[in-house]
Formats: sequence, structure tokens, C-alpha cells
Amino acid sequence: RKEVEQDPGPFNVPEGATVAFNCTYSNSASQSFFWYRQDCRKEPKLLMSVYSSGNEDGRFTAQLNRASQYISLLIRDSKLSDSATYLCVVNMLRILTGGGNKLTFGTGTQLKVEL
Amino acid sequence: NAGVTQTPKFQVLKTGQSMTLQCAQDMNHNSMYWYRQDPGMGLRLIYYSASEGTTDKGEVPNGYNVSRLNKREFSLRLESAAPSQTSVYFCASSKGQASEAFFGQGTRLTVV
Repeated sequence: RKEVEQDPGPFNVPEGATVAFNCTYSNSASQSFFWYRQDCRKEPKLLMSVYSSGNEDGRFTAQLNRASQYISLLIRDSKLSDSATYLCVVNMLRILTGGGNKLTFGTGTQLKVEL
Repeated sequence: NAGVTQTPKFQVLKTGQSMTLQCAQDMNHNSMYWYRQDPGMGLRLIYYSASEGTTDKGEVPNGYNVSRLNKREFSLRLESAAPSQTSVYFCASSKGQASEAFFGQGTRLTVV
């Protein structure tokens, strides 16, 4: 089982639609969680952190379910400019191996917003 | 703010050639990383440096070496390039453990 799994998509949605992505992670010791956005042939950019209580930033809402080991991203009122690949990222502190910060990326979910 | 700067942006190598990818960050971050990204594989960690003076292997370290020159700079070296190392390489940095990472613009490397 992959450490971080995402549905690759593509999700093709009309402008104005609401779309949700889920991401599952295998390691219950994971400590922090993020959603990144990556445009074609560009570097990943932080979209938002995911907190235990859930968090919202404008049209974007992220939630964490530790019991089921998944995080989600909800995009409301989709815009053409939201078309991108969304990467789920999980961070586990590797205490037993001497520390260090290991960000593990999912392979991404592609979103295409259409007129 | 420059953030994370990588050089070069593009490179073509012949099999067996060596090269060093440079990365520098101006955010006073402690941790730095090198990833490679291949179609359908996502981002895979090659090496990381949790703090100045330390480096550790990631998922795919074979064929690479790194140097954390100082707090700002973290270089990745390919001693003898192979076609399997054709990829997009990203450098990233983060403030500390469990923090979000910020990426450079990437280096597109082709080995022929």
C-alpha cells in the first residue's frame, strides 16, 4: 500500500461546481498534512495546511479524519483558474531514525474546470 | 523575496557525464530537500538535510550525492548520469520539522 494515495482523476467539472478530493495515508504517526497545487510544468505551491479542526480559506475547505486516516479538499464555486493538479502531502517525523522531516507526496489529482 | 532558487533550469547531459544542481534559499530555513518528479510517479525524495551539517537518504538516493554547504545552500550531484535520471528535479526548504515546504522552480534534466 502506498503511503499516500489519491485518485488521479481527471475530474472534469463545469465552472461554478463544487468538487471534493480525498486522500488516504497509511501511517497513523503522521503529524502534519497539507494540500499543494501544481500547475503544468511548474513547481508545487502550498495551497493550505490541514488542521485537526478543519480549516477554510475562501472557497477552499480542508478536513482531516485521523480515525480513518484521510484528508479531504473541497472547492466551491470552481473557477477556470482552479484547473491544476492537487497534491496531498503528509509529514511524518522520523523519531526512530534520528529525526528529520519527511514529506510524502501523493501522485496528485488532476482537476479540469470547463466553461 | 527570491525564496528557493535552483540552477540550472534546463540541462542536457550525455550518459556518464557528471553535474551538480545548485539550490539556495533565503528564508533562513533549517531543512532542505531534493525531489525528483516523473510522470505517474509523483514527487519522490532523493535526499534531505534536516539541519545544517546533516544529510540523510530519501526514497531514491542511488546515483546521487548531496552537500549541505551552509544553511542556505544544498547541492545535488550526479556523478555518472544515466538515462533513468531524466526527470524534473525540485529543491525545497522548510522552517523545521513538520513544517510546510517551499519549492524552487525546478530543473528539467535530460540524459541522452
